[in-house]
Amino acid sequence: GNSVTQMEGPVTLSEEAFLTINCTYTATGYPSLFWYVQYPGEGLQLLLKATKADDKGSNKGFEATYRKETTSFHLEKGSVQVSDSAVYFCALSYRNKLVFGAGTILRVKS
Amino acid sequence: NAGVTQTPKFQVLKTGQSMTLQCAQDMNHNSMYWYRQDPGMGLRLIYYSASEGTTDKGEVPNGYNVSRLNKREFSLRLESAAPSQTSVYFCASSEVRASRSYNEQFFGPGTRLTVL
Repeated sequence: GNSVTQMEGPVTLSEEAFLTINCTYTATGYPSLFWYVQYPGEGLQLLLKATKADDKGSNKGFEATYRKETTSFHLEKGSVQVSDSAVYFCALSYRNKLVFGAGTILRVKS
Repeated sequence: NAGVTQTPKFQVLKTGQSMTLQCAQDMNHNSMYWYRQDPGMGLRLIYYSASEGTTDKGEVPNGYNVSRLNKREFSLRLESAAPSQTSVYFCASSEVRASRSYNEQFFGPGTRLTVL
């Protein structure tokens, strides 16, 4: 079946620290991969996407590369800000439906 | 342009009561979805509607019914609420095209439901 596994949180970092949130997937075929972000009290927003192997998605300083050989899509940011505090979800698209990971809470301290 | 709207934002029910969660989108999208979000489990698909007039079960449909009233509106009904249905419910919509390799989903702000 299709599934997504993310590193457990919460992840607590100081401002300007480097961020990595690991994500691996199991899928039939070659899905598109996504990172969604949920700020407190809000719905999910698409952060970035990659639709084929070796694609790099990027947005707002965040990056993730679609690695077919390791079935991974790790999220990275070089210097986090307090405003990045949120829940981050890795997801794959299968037959126009999304399969989500459990989510990783990120807390950034000033 | 409001995007995806959901009502109500909060609701408390007693076991056995019924209620309908409303969702509407103004982006002219063909597909709509209902998810529930529980701690440590991410979002799980309850039902979806690929187009007006069609609905299909998702991963966790038991205890729920849906209606795609028109292209804009997609409601979720709990006929007899149970404590296990305490959750945050999200509606989403998407313009699904076979020609695209991905179809972004747009989410509403959620409904926080507590069943006592």
